[in-house]
Amino acid sequence: DAGVIQSPRHEVTEMGQEVTLRCKPISGHDYLFWYRQTMMRGLELLIYFNNNVPIDDSGMPEDRFSAKMPNASFSTLKIQPSEPRDSAVYFCASSTGLANEKLFFGSGTQLSVL
Amino acid sequence: QQQVKQSPQSLIVQKGGISIINCAYENTAFDYFPWYQQFPGKGPALLIAIRPDVSEKKEGRFTISFNKSAKQFSLHIMDSQPGDSATYFCAATPAGNQFYFGTGTSLTVIP
Repeated sequence: DAGVIQSPRHEVTEMGQEVTLRCKPISGHDYLFWYRQTMMRGLELLIYFNNNVPIDDSGMPEDRFSAKMPNASFSTLKIQPSEPRDSAVYFCASSTGLANEKLFFGSGTQLSVL
Repeated sequence: QQQVKQSPQSLIVQKGGISIINCAYENTAFDYFPWYQQFPGKGPALLIAIRPDVSEKKEGRFTISFNKSAKQFSLHIMDSQPGDSATYFCAATPAGNQFYFGTGTSLTVIP
């Protein structure tokens, strides 16, 4: 298995632009998570899905952030409009369960908003 | 509000030394405590994990020590090697719920 695949690896955009991050989870994993990593706050959970349904989006910072999972093999995280404070590394992870299960992370998307 | 507090933020250790990273939590509902290791440009990967029914778990050079009464747990890396240089995240989770991660510790092992 290729693992969790994220794209793009790097994204540089200007403030106000729309940014879309993409994720393909490991086949057979029922849970998909979006995390944001910053120096100050470490790994923050933004939202997670179970069987393509959003379960908890309380970590989404504001309405500018949205996430979708149209099918079991694809998810997107969208920021519109983007702001410089959104600059971070965004990780997608998947697992076969919720708690007490191993999380498999992608390599992340390094987002820079100028 | 940080559910899991991790220290130190960064750590420099000589090759062959012991690296120690500490984490503390408040939520007594947490029942699973994993450590994740992250190399530059990569996503975190599970390193070792412990449940609160044991006080210690060892896998090779990596050991988790768990103190339930103090609500603290730590990662010990024995005989630290330059290849161990990475960022380490502790985490905690209550049954059937999400993971809560610490803020990470950047470990550098000097040859």
